[in-house]
Amino acid sequence: EAEVAQSPRYKITEKSQAVAFWCDPISGHATLYWYRQILGQGPELLVQFQDESVVDDSQLPKDRFSAERLKGVDSTLKIQPAELGDSAMYLCASSLPPVAGEGDTQYFGPGTRLTVL
Amino acid sequence: QKEVEQNSGPLSVPEGAIASLNCTYSDRGSQSFFWYRQYSGKSPELIMFIYSNGDKEDGRFTAQLNKASQYVSLLIRDSQPSDSATYLCAVNGDDKIIFGKGTRLHILP
Repeated sequence: EAEVAQSPRYKITEKSQAVAFWCDPISGHATLYWYRQILGQGPELLVQFQDESVVDDSQLPKDRFSAERLKGVDSTLKIQPAELGDSAMYLCASSLPPVAGEGDTQYFGPGTRLTVL
Repeated sequence: QKEVEQNSGPLSVPEGAIASLNCTYSDRGSQSFFWYRQYSGKSPELIMFIYSNGDKEDGRFTAQLNKASQYVSLLIRDSQPSDSATYLCAVNGDDKIIFGKGTRLHILP
């Protein structure tokens, strides 16, 4: 069964350091999402790509976060510099364009648990 | 601001009983609705999606949608201890999916 791949699964870093997360969506899924989930909260959308283009990055803290999907397949999310408040689970999801019966169902990867010390 | 509201719980249900999880949303133009299950420390796993008013059944799970009342629910029949998890409601409107904070469900053996 096709799955969304993410790495690393866990990352511990000190504040002010740079961190990067990688995501490989399900093959053929044109839409890719990065979410941040703080413990006890629902996932919060950071950025949405359609192929290689950013569709929505309104909630991305652009002073320290960046995301790219250069060839429209895999994607990287970077934080520089990391702050204590960035400790969270970073989730990647992918979906097909909406079609009858399937719609825009998102499938999540296993996530990256970031701890900033 | 478009919102998705869920009772945070915990909701405690005896094993074998029906668990009922509820979700309301603010955007009347929302088109698609999703329920995800999330075990502690894991990523969300899709349970069901629903687009039309009424009920949709899949095994022990039934999703119910009432667009007029802006309400979507998930029923879990014959609850099992393995159903203990956080259930996230997600609503899509204007090509943007918004998640609720989730309801913690605890199935009592």
